[in-house]
Amino acid sequence: QVQLQESGPGLVRPSGTLSLTCSVSGASISSDFWSWIRQPPGKGLEWIGYMYYSGSTNYNPSLKSRVTISADTSTNHFSLNVKSVTAADTAVYYCARGSGWNADHRFDSWGQGTLVIVSS
Amino acid sequence: DIQMTQSPSSLSASVGDRVTITCRASQSISSHLNWYHQKPGTAPKVLIYAASSLQSGVPSRFSGSGSGTEYTLTISSLQPEDFATYYCQQSYITPWTFGHGTKVEIK
Repeated sequence: QVQLQESGPGLVRPSGTLSLTCSVSGASISSDFWSWIRQPPGKGLEWIGYMYYSGSTNYNPSLKSRVTISADTSTNHFSLNVKSVTAADTAVYYCARGSGWNADHRFDSWGQGTLVIVSS
Repeated sequence: DIQMTQSPSSLSASVGDRVTITCRASQSISSHLNWYHQKPGTAPKVLIYAASSLQSGVPSRFSGSGSGTEYTLTISSLQPEDFATYYCQQSYITPWTFGHGTKVEIK
């Protein structure tokens, strides 16, 4: 059974950097796609970006200039950094595994989510 | 970006009802369409992928159909545990995008 767990600060100052880690068990991040997705309170879901096991990344243009996703295969976790945050970045952040190819691609395993509030 | 439009935005239904939710894409997505549901305080869970394939472990009362730009999620007989918010998501082209959600409430 694949399990993902997000961790990181729940409060970030405006203009600071949001940093989260997703620990993965039951699967290796050396395969499949690994994404970050966020959900502002009471709102819908926004895909932030993914890391593919080869090391390639793909980011949502809405955040691209501020986002970095990286991985540590030795510890089987991957990370999200969002710089220059504002209140608009306040959200529950989820890490998720994307599996399948082409039309079969879907997010089939998710972390429980972690709320990050941007406030001074 | 591909825009995903769900309808209705909310609905009220009773246990045992047949429920249908529609998702329209702003361009053809060639069945690269997934459905999730989300209960308050929990992560989304995939129900249907590739427009009509049932995710392993998901009850058979859930089904999906559609092609091109129009897709449908059907719950054949609504159960108490199905009251949740439902999202469609396209995986045709990045940035992958979600619909705004359909909240299914108890009548």
